[in-house]
Amino acid sequence: SQQGEEDPQALSIQEGENATMNCSYKTSINNLQWYRQNSGRGLVHLILIRSNEREKHSGRLRVTLDTSKKSSSLLITASRAADTASYFCATDASGGSNYKLTFGKGTLLTVNP
Amino acid sequence: KAGVTQTPRYLIKTRGQQVTLSCSPISGHRSVSWYQQTPGQGLQFLFEYFSETQRNKGNFPGRFSGRQFSNSRSEMNVSTLELGDSALYLCASGRGYEQYFGPGTRLTVT
Repeated sequence: SQQGEEDPQALSIQEGENATMNCSYKTSINNLQWYRQNSGRGLVHLILIRSNEREKHSGRLRVTLDTSKKSSSLLITASRAADTASYFCATDASGGSNYKLTFGKGTLLTVNP
Repeated sequence: KAGVTQTPRYLIKTRGQQVTLSCSPISGHRSVSWYQQTPGQGLQFLFEYFSETQRNKGNFPGRFSGRQFSNSRSEMNVSTLELGDSALYLCASGRGYEQYFGPGTRLTVT
């Protein structure tokens, strides 16, 4: 079953704008990760945030985690056409394996030039 | 450092046949996981191997099996293929908390 649920399912913005995607999950987690996938290819790891962290930055990416609400958000600033892709959050359950990830259905981001 | 590699990249099989997919992890990674991605069900965990032992298994029928070799390379096998097995099969290797995915094998069952 899908634990993570991203919203929106699709997002279309102009180059230079910021894009925010949200993810909700159902059970306690160890970590939450965000991945990018271009056109049905492999997943590219973007960022990992641990359950005891609230915010993390990596380049143009900012991730927040609210464990009380079981939700996370991914912000991409100053978006580029090359950011066009599907974005997935993935969680590993508390007490479980780090390597058994549960994915959401993803947000399809389109950045128009 | 070379990434995760998967072979073959594309495969077409007939219903009832079996198929074997291969995954070579990043050097030094001992954990290999497999995922199935379909438009309807999204990304679903199949199984994870660590040091040649299956450590976790997802909710898939016994037709789906896998193994890991002493060099950490992994194979997954699907027997008696069904049309619904058409999917992108992704392999990931990990060390620590992060997993790194290969490009996937796209399997089409006709």
